Amino acid sequence: EVQLVESGGGLVQPGRSLRLSCAASGFTFDDYAMHWVRQAPGKGLEWVSGISWNSGSIGYADSVKGRFTISRDNAKNSLYLQMNSLRVEDMALYYCAKDLMATIANDAFDIWGQGTMVTVSS
Amino acid sequence: SYELTQPLSVSVALGQTARITCGGNNIGSKNVHWYQQKPGQAPVLVIYRDSNRPSGIPERFSGSNSGNTATLTINRAQAGDEADYYCQVWDSSTGVFGTGTKVTVL
Repeated sequence: EVQLVESGGGLVQPGRSLRLSCAASGFTFDDYAMHWVRQAPGKGLEWVSGISWNSGSIGYADSVKGRFTISRDNAKNSLYLQMNSLRVEDMALYYCAKDLMATIANDAFDIWGQGTMVTVSS
Repeated sequence: SYELTQPLSVSVALGQTARITCGGNNIGSKNVHWYQQKPGQAPVLVIYRDSNRPSGIPERFSGSNSGNTATLTINRAQAGDEADYYCQVWDSSTGVFGTGTKVTVL
């Protein structure tokens, strides 16, 4: 079964850091680009970041550029998001999503995890 | 930055046709993808590259894209189609989602 399972969310104070993880199974992880998409409570979807199959191409939304870092470990079938200098507006459910292709900025997200909640509050 | 505009809500009678629009500047030149999200669940891809259905998505779902508007059409709407729907494109290597449309089946 194709599956993505996120972890690492929680309550964090503004200005602090958090690292999210996404464990992939049921497909050849290093054949596909991967992404993080978030959804604030009661709001719409927002693409956060994406990484190509070999980490050679990476992209970020302007809202997180310079604060968040995406990475992957193909040997461990895992995707990560290092989030620094967190703000109240970063509070959201963070989804891990698989791309249809190996490169980013081209195609759709065909598999999604159930998300991990990040709460930013003092 | 590129923006995608969707109607806030669309209502459709049971068994009738719902059309959800996604407006963007020259969106016809881009690949448009559509996602369905039911309350408390992760999004599900229902249409990719304008008009392609992933396996497992009913033929009742179709898509088109031209000019400044892309459209997701749901034929013979069912109660189970009630959900939020989002369009999505790529612009300058940035992922962009539409504002989302809540579909209500009456």
